[in-house]
Amino acid sequence: GAVVSQHPSWVICKSGTSVKIECRSLDFQATTMFWYRQFPKQSLMLMATSNEGSKATYEQGVEKDKFLINHASLTLSTLTVTSAHPEDSSFYICSVPLEGGPLHFGNGTRLTVT
Amino acid sequence: KQEVTQIPAALSVPEGENLVLNCSFTDSAIYNLQWFRQDPGKGLTSLLLIQSSQREQTSGRLNASLDKSSGRSTLYIAASQPGDSATYLCAVTRRWGKLQFGAGTQVVVTP
Repeated sequence: GAVVSQHPSWVICKSGTSVKIECRSLDFQATTMFWYRQFPKQSLMLMATSNEGSKATYEQGVEKDKFLINHASLTLSTLTVTSAHPEDSSFYICSVPLEGGPLHFGNGTRLTVT
Repeated sequence: KQEVTQIPAALSVPEGENLVLNCSFTDSAIYNLQWFRQDPGKGLTSLLLIQSSQREQTSGRLNASLDKSSGRSTLYIAASQPGDSATYLCAVTRRWGKLQFGAGTQVVVTP
């Protein structure tokens, strides 16, 4: 069964609005979760590392004030795209590491900003 | 600069042929290498994980090799089937558990 649940799977929003994406670890506690973004025909790029109980760490070039990450519990991390613009349209996907094992990914969220 | 490159970018084969997908990476400081499958508009499915100390991993029709010193990995899929059509991604794990992905190889297996 699924190890990581991501919701919603797709969302369409108007420019200027905010969108929240949830990532849940179903079977185990996760102090760390990763958020990736994938533009069409490109590879996945790491956006940020979500840390339970502390601030997220962002990769170079990712605006932390635009992509708000909250890791409020050991099973839930949220990514909020604030004041979304059409160029934010992308595929967002979270992953949860299992110690010593592979990463498990959510099914991703397709965001379209009109 | 750390990079992960996958060749070819796209591949089309008739059903029954073996598939060979290549992945190369710069900077051999990796913890492991993973191969993933991604279906259109979907998430990732982990296929194989090779620890940095290992040379290969096998699962069913899939076999992946790793030559860390030369920065190369190859994914072999035997006796391809139309259901194998997908994009295959390789990724290396760097410090802090961060994955660095290649751009993927899009595979089409024709009946």
